[in-house]
Amino acid sequence: GAVVSQHPSRVICKSGTSVKIECRSLDFQATTMFWYRQFPKQSLMLMATSNEGSKATYEQGVEKDKFLINHASLTLSTLTVTSAHPEDSSFYICSATGVPPTSTDTQYFGPGTRLTVL
Amino acid sequence: GQNIDQPTEMTATEGAIVQINCTYQTSGFNGLFWYQQHAGEAPTFLSYNVLDGLEEKGRFSSFLSRSKGYSYLLLKELQMKDSASYLCAVSGNNRLAFGKGNQVVVIP
Repeated sequence: GAVVSQHPSRVICKSGTSVKIECRSLDFQATTMFWYRQFPKQSLMLMATSNEGSKATYEQGVEKDKFLINHASLTLSTLTVTSAHPEDSSFYICSATGVPPTSTDTQYFGPGTRLTVL
Repeated sequence: GQNIDQPTEMTATEGAIVQINCTYQTSGFNGLFWYQQHAGEAPTFLSYNVLDGLEEKGRFSSFLSRSKGYSYLLLKELQMKDSASYLCAVSGNNRLAFGKGNQVVVIP
């Protein structure tokens, strides 16, 4: 149980284009979804927290107009990287916490999306 | 805020026991998680401690001392597949703060 999927797993795009990443909880309802970014050999850095039906809360230094987050249902959140640039190339990972009986404390992670901006 | 410190890398032999330490400072504490992350993959949940003491789960055990801001993950009977990065993450203030991870390399 508590499976989270992400799509796509890898994406290569040209500088200036937008990329959408989907995060789905497959077998549970996710009250909260989190978006992280991880650069090589670095820790996971939280970008934003989103609750279904409300606006995402962005961490300091993360541009909300560049990283658009939509959490339209209890099983789907999307992250859109707008006008991507090479410095946005990274590993983007989502996670979700559940509705009881699924644990409300443990974050379950998706498999990640490797974004490369040329 | 939160500050989490982990050593960076260690090498151990197959079958051995390894202890990975994590110290933290946080203004709010709702528990400490350990995750395993293989290269290029997302973290997978290993353990969760919210009370002081030792939690054992098969070959993996995790210990927490809240007064000392300290936790460790113990890996027993190391296998080659245990080669990975081990991340401790502190839950508090409605978020998880991750340490940089400790890379464990298992050799035959």
